[in-house]
Order: sequence, then C-alpha cells, then structure tokens
Amino acid sequence: GENVEQHPSTLSVQEGDSAVIKCTYSDSASNYFPWYKQELGKRPQLIIDIRSNVGEKKDQRIAVTLNKTAKHFSLHITETQPEDSAVYFCAASKEGYGNNRLAFGKGNQVVVIP
Amino acid sequence: SQTIHQWPATLVQPVGSPLSLECTVEGTSNPNLYWYRQAAGRGLQLLFYSVGIGQISSEVPQNLSASRPQDRQFILSSKKLLLSDSGFYLCAWSVRGANYGYTFGSGTRLTVV
Repeated sequence: GENVEQHPSTLSVQEGDSAVIKCTYSDSASNYFPWYKQELGKRPQLIIDIRSNVGEKKDQRIAVTLNKTAKHFSLHITETQPEDSAVYFCAASKEGYGNNRLAFGKGNQVVVIP
Repeated sequence: SQTIHQWPATLVQPVGSPLSLECTVEGTSNPNLYWYRQAAGRGLQLLFYSVGIGQISSEVPQNLSASRPQDRQFILSSKKLLLSDSGFYLCAWSVRGANYGYTFGSGTRLTVV
C-alpha cells in the first residue's frame, strides 16, 4: 500500500519566517494530497489540498507544491504566526483504492517562536 | 451542510470495563466512515473503516470492534478495556466513491485507569 513519510518531525521557526514541511509518497498512482492541521487537543482540520493535475496551489499564507516525478509534496507557510503552531499531517490517496482511503504521514510539530 | 458528531468528549474508564463510542454524520448519505486512534504526541492510527451498513474493515488486530447499524452511524466498542486502549479517538467521514479529504469529529479522549 501507499507509504507517506514526513520530514522533519519537529520544526521551530521565528515568528514572521517561513516554514516548509516535505512529504514523500511511494505509490506513483496517488493523485490526491491533502494537508491537515491539528492544534493541541483538537481534531485535525483540512487546510489545503492538491491534485496531481496541478503543481502548486495557494491559499493566503499557505501553499502546497507537488513534484510527481520525485513523488514528493510540500507545505509552505509564509509569515508564520504563533497560531500556526500545531501538528501538520500530510496524506495521499488514489481513486478506486480502498475506497479512496488516505494514507497519513506521522505528523510534523511546528513551533512558532514569538 | 454536513456535520459530524462524536461523543462523549472525555471518558475515564477502569480496566476491564466495556466501551461504546458513537459517531453520527448529518447532511450526507452513504458516507465512508472511519475510526482513528491517536496516542499522546503520536500519529493517526486507522482502526476501522466502513463503506456501508454492516460493512466493517479492520486495520489492526485488537480488543476493539466497530459496527455500523445505520448509514450515518458508526460505533466503536470494547468488551474489556486495557490500559493500552487509552488515547484520543477520532471518527471521520468522507464522500464515497470520490477522492476527497476526510472531515474529523471532535474526538473522544479516553483514559483507562
């Protein structure tokens, strides 16, 4: 099955700097890649996603890039703020497999230092 | 709009006691439903998923079970809890037959003492 890995496991950044989290996936047939943000004690929430027919997607201060050849995708957070501190999960799925089940990475802890 | 309800929010249970967590989805039909467990500071472990009434797939062997008695109701159960069952339990749903993300419930924090 699909295997998704995230790096680094923990990332500390100064407020106002940018943060980048990278995920790699193993199945070249995967075509949907969402990112989830989980604040302490709360549920994971979808913050942005990308499909394999595009290379980049932006939503205000966050963006996701996809490199299908290298089988990796990255989350970019610009002008980080304390409220960006959370665990971020990447995931991947492909249509028709296991009814579109997502394979999640293990998560990255992002700490924004004021 | 679709909403997902999960209860209770917190639960403290003694070892050996039974467990029943419930999850319901509103505003959609025929959803895929999932139960995840998250140990403190760890990732999301898929326990069960269901693509329809009475259809349950188990991802890991354990003393937990799941049932889907109605289209939008998903129940996680145990006959006898273990200390290792402690964790944050999350229910989630997704659109069946489509490649979209999941929406998670608010979670149940279970502590087995």
